[in-house]
Amino acid sequence: DTEVTQTPKHLVMGMTNKKSLKCEQHMGHRAMYWYKQKAKKPPELMFVYSYEKLSINESVPSRFSPECPNSSLLNLHLHALQPEDSALYLCASRRQALMNTEAFFGQGTRLTVV
Amino acid sequence: DQQVKQNSPSLSVQEGRISILNCDYTNSMFDYFLWYKKYPAEGPTFLISISSIKDKNEDGRFTVFLNKSAKHLSLHIVPSQPGDSAVYFCAASEDSGNTPLVFGKGTRLSVIA
Repeated sequence: DTEVTQTPKHLVMGMTNKKSLKCEQHMGHRAMYWYKQKAKKPPELMFVYSYEKLSINESVPSRFSPECPNSSLLNLHLHALQPEDSALYLCASRRQALMNTEAFFGQGTRLTVV
Repeated sequence: DQQVKQNSPSLSVQEGRISILNCDYTNSMFDYFLWYKKYPAEGPTFLISISSIKDKNEDGRFTVFLNKSAKHLSLHIVPSQPGDSAVYFCAASEDSGNTPLVFGKGTRLSVIA
């Protein structure tokens, strides 16, 4: 199983809404990531969790709140977003070991803020 | 400052010919390099990787070459197929898992039948 599952696939939310993006992997990976991708741009790192602890926050606004309830799950809580936050949000995971390994990405959640 | 650069935004290749996608990097601490393929509205799919201790890695039609002294890597696809048409991202990292991937801006490959 090399799958990272993200739900929902599409989300439309108003600027006053609260919603959550979910990410799940069962590969035993201990590093999990949130990336944001705008059209025709590379994925931009938002957060890194290592062994369920937040290790990197790339100066992301507080309206994005990550959570790692256990080693298989990663959430991104959204509140009071702006239209410019509309993007594809990608979750990825990577095994932490002595050997370099690839990151596996989910299919993403296409978020539209109206 | 871009640490991973893909200077060609797009590339068109005839079916059956070789596609060569290039990537340069500036961070000498990078020791692991990856190529991802991405279709619109989908997550990146891992293609092939190379560690800095190697200069070539091959997997089927895909070969990645690494020139550490030039801080340059390339992805060769041969023969190219129409299904290879996608955006290809070069990525790099400094260690085995905690350091996140740094992506280039991508190259859109179009394989013409």
